[in-house]
Amino acid sequence: AQSVAQPEDQVNVAEGNPLTVKCTYSVSGNPYLFWYVQYPNRGLQFLLKYITGDNLVKGSYGFEAEFNKSQTSFHLKKPSALVSDSALYFCAVRDSSTGGFKTIFGAGTRLFVKA
Amino acid sequence: GAGVSQSPSNKVTEKGKDVELRCDPISGHTALYWYRQSLGQGLEFLIYFQGNSAPDKSGLPSDRFSAERTGGSVSTLTIQRTQQEDSAVYLCASTPGGGEPYEQYFGPGTRLTVT
Repeated sequence: AQSVAQPEDQVNVAEGNPLTVKCTYSVSGNPYLFWYVQYPNRGLQFLLKYITGDNLVKGSYGFEAEFNKSQTSFHLKKPSALVSDSALYFCAVRDSSTGGFKTIFGAGTRLFVKA
Repeated sequence: GAGVSQSPSNKVTEKGKDVELRCDPISGHTALYWYRQSLGQGLEFLIYFQGNSAPDKSGLPSDRFSAERTGGSVSTLTIQRTQQEDSAVYLCASTPGGGEPYEQYFGPGTRLTVT
């Protein structure tokens, strides 16, 4: 069965500093990996995904994520954080080997960017 | 175009009552998902529908929960004999479906409160 772990409930970073939100996963086959963001009082929005190919994936709002197969990780990164990046971030995984669409989300990491 | 819509946006019900939550996916999207987000928790997968295939119900927490999708479009999640632990935000998402790992488009959610 697939699973996702976001080891940090909360990440604090100063504006202008780089940020990393961690995600590790477990699947039987090859993973499809996703990051979503939930701003206060707004719905979940897609940020980026990894399907295959280049391990570094670039997405919306200057975010990127690096797929590391050996470490089964897909950490979200941004070179310079903005106060407006403060939100709840979810990592999600779908197992490509099952042929199904079931997608499992992590517990979420709350990002606080301080001015 | 129109996004995923859900109704009602808020529902307060008494313990033991049945409730129905509705989801209208994006037109043409063949895959539809239901998730539950409890306060301070991540997204818990409940069920997904893909085209005419049998739904994956593996995430439904008990037999009090059921869902159907009529005509491959609108979906209804029904919770019978509601309990206080059912209080959560219920999110619906849709994707174009098929074999591609498309990102999910989320609705605004239905906040269910069981008193």
